[in-house]
Amino acid sequence: NAGVTQTPKFQVLKTGQSMTLQCAQDMNHEYMSWYRQDPGMGLRLIHYSVGAGITDQGEVPNGYNVSRSTTEDFPLRLLSAAPSQTSVYFCASSYDRYGYTFGSGTRLTVV
Amino acid sequence: AQSVSQHNHHVILSEAASLELGCNYSYGGTVNLFWYVQYPGQHLQLLLKYFSGDPLVKGIKGFEAEFIKSKFSFNLRKPSVQWSDTAEYFCAVRKNGGGNKLTFGTGTQLKVEL
Repeated sequence: NAGVTQTPKFQVLKTGQSMTLQCAQDMNHEYMSWYRQDPGMGLRLIHYSVGAGITDQGEVPNGYNVSRSTTEDFPLRLLSAAPSQTSVYFCASSYDRYGYTFGSGTRLTVV
Repeated sequence: AQSVSQHNHHVILSEAASLELGCNYSYGGTVNLFWYVQYPGQHLQLLLKYFSGDPLVKGIKGFEAEFIKSKFSFNLRKPSVQWSDTAEYFCAVRKNGGGNKLTFGTGTQLKVEL
């Protein structure tokens, strides 16, 4: 049981490049979310999903896209990376309201 | 908008000292409350959670938290901290009917000195 798996763990992008952060869970969880963590700002919700085919915006969605074609996968796409997107990104999943399980994070630097 | 406030941004304690980290939220409806811990270089792990019933909740590693509805607070406590408790602590709130979204506080960095 791997839990929530995020890849890659580290990534450096040039401004304007695009990339996809991968997130997969093997717990058959309905709920999945993407957060970004910045110093002094805690975790802020980017996008979330309540099930396959259903996604919605969180607090800071601009510059990011998501899709949920399967229960297991919830990739986060950066369309045109900007230095302001330098952050640590966490994916999380939950079966119900009883708390999320977090992945180990992706540290992204945009230069 | 719902918000979660953690007023202590950095706390330094000696081993065996008692710990209390504050958490206040602004939402007036029914909420579920969580404390997460993030050890250096690691991901968030759930310490404890409150949904209903006894407002004093016990979690892992000797942590507990008390929900005081009248004060919109959910403070985290530990009677005697250890060096291994050095970490960042996050309070989070889930609003009932809010799509299972968590709103996090800005975190409290705890350093425990030997």
